[in-house]
Amino acid sequence: DSGVTQTPKHLITATGQRVTLRCSPRSGDLSVYWYQQSLDQGLQFLIQYYNGEERAKGNILERFSAQQFPDLHSELNLSSLELGDSALYFCASSPLEGALGGYTFGSGTRLTVV
Amino acid sequence: LAKTTQPISMDSYEGQEVNITCSHNNIATNDYITWYQQFPSQGPRFIIQGYKTKVTNEVASLFIPADRKSSTLSLPRVSLSDTAVYYCLVGDNTGGFKTIFGAGTRLFVKA
Repeated sequence: DSGVTQTPKHLITATGQRVTLRCSPRSGDLSVYWYQQSLDQGLQFLIQYYNGEERAKGNILERFSAQQFPDLHSELNLSSLELGDSALYFCASSPLEGALGGYTFGSGTRLTVV
Repeated sequence: LAKTTQPISMDSYEGQEVNITCSHNNIATNDYITWYQQFPSQGPRFIIQGYKTKVTNEVASLFIPADRKSSTLSLPRVSLSDTAVYYCLVGDNTGGFKTIFGAGTRLFVKA
């Protein structure tokens, strides 16, 4: 157990639908990062939050949005889902805003869009 | 952002030492070098991080030359369970930092 909790572990939904993925960071960590990993692909950085504020954006589609709440948990909202959105979605956390100390990843949410 | 280049894949045998080199020619003064390991369908796991010279922990060593334009992850006496993808990242600790994972190196350990 890495200390980063992601729910749900698996999600199957239909095209056009909207889903919410949840992440609880490791205790004491202020930063949360979201990544998307499609089958046999690398990790695509989506977005980073630090202590409730958006800090960096990567290749996140307009149909996707995220936020970090006062208790530091984060949610990634995916709407108007397409087949190509099927992927593993990972959340990571770190104590500070950047790389020092490394990132702790959760076990991911596997999203299947049918 | 410092871009990293790693070999796409490597093969090794159990018990051998494996060295994976990462090139990061435009690394910035404040950047750290971090390596992660990822097994299929699992999140990456932090292995080791360094700034210069050599860092060693219970699982690996990280060698960084004086110019810091490359780094080498050394895995001593690998086993079948070390078969995984290894990612090299560079980045600093300032706000707005983006963690960009490259394609990584697929290490396959054979019996």
